[in-house]
Amino acid sequence: EIVLTQSPGTLSLSPGERATLSCRASQSVGSNYLTWYQQKPGQAPRLLIYGASSRATGIPDRFSGSGSGTDFTLTISRLDPEDFAVYYCQQSGGSRVTFGPGTKVDIK
Amino acid sequence: QVQLVESGGGVVQPGRSLRLSCTASRFTFSNYGMHWVRQAPGKGLEWVAFIWFDGSNKYYADSVRGRFTISRDNSENTLYLQMNSLRAEDTAVYFCARDKGKSGIYFLDYWGQGSLVTVSS
Repeated sequence: EIVLTQSPGTLSLSPGERATLSCRASQSVGSNYLTWYQQKPGQAPRLLIYGASSRATGIPDRFSGSGSGTDFTLTISRLDPEDFAVYYCQQSGGSRVTFGPGTKVDIK
Repeated sequence: QVQLVESGGGVVQPGRSLRLSCTASRFTFSNYGMHWVRQAPGKGLEWVAFIWFDGSNKYYADSVRGRFTISRDNSENTLYLQMNSLRAEDTAVYFCARDKGKSGIYFLDYWGQGSLVTVSS
């Protein structure tokens, strides 16, 4: 089973700053199968990025994804107040899905 | 806009059973694979199970295999999760989610709002 590790656990930043979130896999992940979600308290997760770098419908272009193999990054170029949330990476390989433990982006 | 609505959650004693439902609307349900994902209070996301568009293949997390069964009724646009031999550690909000594809797992593009299951005596 592929294990995903996300860092940092918590990222404390101010609105307007740049956020860089890391997702590292224990084995190589096909780029088509690395996905990022955003979750706010009391809400369901929302799809942000699929295929490592493709933005989902309606996602602002301040969100971008990159990476390949075992190292992936989600970047928020300039944090908007609505971006303070928990972010999860997820991989799907064959018949399994695994999520990373999440990175919380909170207001400094 | 795609809509997924879970129901059937509640409080149940350890060892008992519960069945969750997820009613889908505003898309062709029979064309998509579907997932259940859960989230224990204050914890992260844990994938539970996936079913192909036609119900012909099903995949499970190790933590629930042999106890939980995913199924679907395409004529009723409904996804199910039958949960047997429930344990305290199954306490969570259970989300149903649509996969982008029909068979095989890609990514989860739409999610329901979740149904809380509490396993407690």
